[in-house]
Amino acid sequence: GQNIDQPTEMTATEGAIVQINCTYQTSGFNGLFWYQQHAGEAPTFLSYNVLDGLEEKGRFSSFLSRSKGYSYLLLKELQMKDSASYLCAVRDRGGSYIPTFGRGTSLIVHP
Amino acid sequence: GAGVSQSPRYKVAKRGQDVALRCDPISGHVSLFWYQQALGQGPEFLTYFQNEAQLDKSGLPSDRFFAERPEGSVSTLKIQRTQQEDSAVYLCASSLLVGQNSYEQYFGPGTRLTVT
Repeated sequence: GQNIDQPTEMTATEGAIVQINCTYQTSGFNGLFWYQQHAGEAPTFLSYNVLDGLEEKGRFSSFLSRSKGYSYLLLKELQMKDSASYLCAVRDRGGSYIPTFGRGTSLIVHP
Repeated sequence: GAGVSQSPRYKVAKRGQDVALRCDPISGHVSLFWYQQALGQGPEFLTYFQNEAQLDKSGLPSDRFFAERPEGSVSTLKIQRTQQEDSAVYLCASSLLVGQNSYEQYFGPGTRLTVT
C-alpha cells in the first residue's frame, strides 16, 4: 500500500501564500490527487497530477516530483473561506486504482 | 444535475443494533466507493463496486460490515451489531469509471454514525 505523510495543521494570514506538502511511498505510482474538505462537508476535487511538474488552476497550483515521492499544493491570495482540511491521495497501479488518502492538513486562515 | 446523496445524514445507534446506510450515486457513474472517516483523519477505503460487482472489499474492518449494490446504482452499507469503534462519518463516492484514464471521485455529504 501507500504511506502518505502531510502536516496535521497549518495557519496562514488572509492574502498570503501557503504551501502544503505531501510525501508518499508507493510501488506503482499512478497519480496524486488533492481534495478540499470543509468541516462537516464532503471532500471536493482540487487537482490531479500524474506527470512531474506544476499544474496551475486559478489561485491553486499543485506540484509533483515522482522521483522524490513529493507533492505540494500552493494556495495564493488566501481567503477566509480557504480554511479547510486539504487531503492528499495517491493512486497505485496495483489493486483497483483506488486512491489512498492521507490524514489531511487542517489549514486555518486568520485575518 | 444532482450530486451524490446519502441518507440518513445522522444516525445514532445503541451498541449491538444493526444499521443500514444508503448511497445514491450520480446517474451513469459506474464506480462506487465507501469510505470511513474518523474525526481528524482522512477517508479510509472500505469497499468498491463497478456496476453491481463488488470488486474490492479489502477495507471492510470485520465481517459485521456488508455492502451491496444489487442493480448497479443505489448502494447500501450495512453494519451489524454496531460497536462504539464504528462511530465515524461514512462517505460514499462515485466516478464514471476507475482506471488509468479516469480519476475524479464525487463525494456525498456522508452519514455521521454515533454508537452509544
